[in-house]
Amino acid sequence: GIQVEQSPPDLILQEGANSTLRCNFSDSVNNLQWFHQNPWGQLINLFYIPSGTKQNGRLSATTVATERYSLLYISSSQTTDSGVYFCAVERMGAQKLVFGQGTRLTINP
Amino acid sequence: DTGVSQNPRHKITKRGQNVTFRCDPISEHNRLYWYRQTLGQGPEFLTYFQNEAQLEKSRLLSDRFSAERPKGSFSTLEIQRTEQGDSAMYLCASSLALSGSEAFFGQGTRLTVV
Repeated sequence: GIQVEQSPPDLILQEGANSTLRCNFSDSVNNLQWFHQNPWGQLINLFYIPSGTKQNGRLSATTVATERYSLLYISSSQTTDSGVYFCAVERMGAQKLVFGQGTRLTINP
Repeated sequence: DTGVSQNPRHKITKRGQNVTFRCDPISEHNRLYWYRQTLGQGPEFLTYFQNEAQLEKSRLLSDRFSAERPKGSFSTLEIQRTEQGDSAMYLCASSLALSGSEAFFGQGTRLTVV
């Protein structure tokens, strides 16, 4: 099956810093989503981005499908950005999302 | 649009008991998925439905697990004879029945088997 690797596994930053999270995948995809898992466990949709670039406030994402990676940028981090960020992909021809192991982001005040 | 809803939010059960979880998808979504997430891991696919048909099951879905979506709306996931290894977060998601459609997740049901 498709492999999804996220890096780094852990990231600790001070409030106000910028961060870049990476997601590599091993096959062609027709769906890529970034999620933030809140402290209660719910997965919050950040971006639906099988290709191209999108921005939403302080967050932006870029997927380069031909090179099989995606990047999530968080600018001017706030403590509320802390949590686990997941990348999930749907391989072409499959009907399910495959998740990476996540990046745990900790923003200290 | 009320989003994907799961009940209960938490369940504590004794080993050997049966448990059932419910998921109500977004109303216009034909596809419904179940995932399981253990501590420190990403969610893993269990099964999915398109309308009332169960179209794929993961090998993670042992014989003690059964899922239904009788009228193509809500779904239930039952675990029989629970084991401590079944302790996990069970997540439900829904999407349109188009390849590559965006999926939306519910709040999850956290199961603890004691």
